[in-house]
Amino acid sequence: RKEVEQDPGPFNVPEGATVAFNCTYSNSASQSFFWYRQDCRKEPKLLMSVYSSGNEDGRFTAQLNRASQYISLLIRDSKLSDSATYLCVVNPQGYQKVTFGIGTKLQVIP
Amino acid sequence: EAQVTQNPRYLITVTGKKLTVTCSQNMNHEYMSWYRQDPGLGLRQIYYSMNVEVTDKGDVPEGYKVSRKEKRNFPLILESPSPNQTSLYFCASKGLTSNTEAFFGQGTRLTVV
Repeated sequence: RKEVEQDPGPFNVPEGATVAFNCTYSNSASQSFFWYRQDCRKEPKLLMSVYSSGNEDGRFTAQLNRASQYISLLIRDSKLSDSATYLCVVNPQGYQKVTFGIGTKLQVIP
Repeated sequence: EAQVTQNPRYLITVTGKKLTVTCSQNMNHEYMSWYRQDPGLGLRQIYYSMNVEVTDKGDVPEGYKVSRKEKRNFPLILESPSPNQTSLYFCASKGLTSNTEAFFGQGTRLTVV
C-alpha cells in the first residue's frame, strides 16, 4: 500500500460547484498534514495546513480523520482560478522524509 | 525574501555527460530534499538531508548523488545521465519541526538525449 494515496482525477466541475478531495495515508504515526496547490509545471505551494479539529480558509475547508486515516479538502463556490493539481502532504512523526500524494487534478469549467 | 533557488531552470544534455543541478535556500532550513515529477507518477523523492553532512535515500535514488557540505546548498549530481532521467526536478527545504511548510524551488526541466 502506498504511504499516501489520492485519486488523480481529473475532476471536471462547473463554476460555482462544491468539490471535495480525499487523501488516505498508511502511517498511523503521521503527525502533520497539508494541502499544496500546484499549477501546471510550476512549483507546489502551500494551500493550507490541516488541523485535528478541522480548519477553514475562505472557500476552502480541510479536515482530518485520524481513525480512518484520511484528510479531505472541500472547495466551495469553485472559481476558474481554482483549476490546478492539489497535493496532499503527510509528515511522519519525527524528522523523516516528507511524503506527497500523486495529486488530484481539478478543472473548473465555465 | 524567503526563497529556494534552483539552477539551471532548463537543461538539455547528452547521455553520459555529468551534470549538477544546484539548489540554495536562504531560510536557514535544516531539511532539504530533491524530487522528480513525471506524468502519472507525482512527486517522487530522490534524496533528502536532515542537516549538514547528513543525507539519506528517498524512493528513487538510483543514478543520483547529493552532497550537503553547507546548510544552504544541496546540489543534485547526475554522474552519467540517461534518457530515463528526463524529468522535472524540484528542490525543497523546510524546518525540522514536522508542522512547518516546505518551500520549493521553481523547478529544473531536464532532458537527456
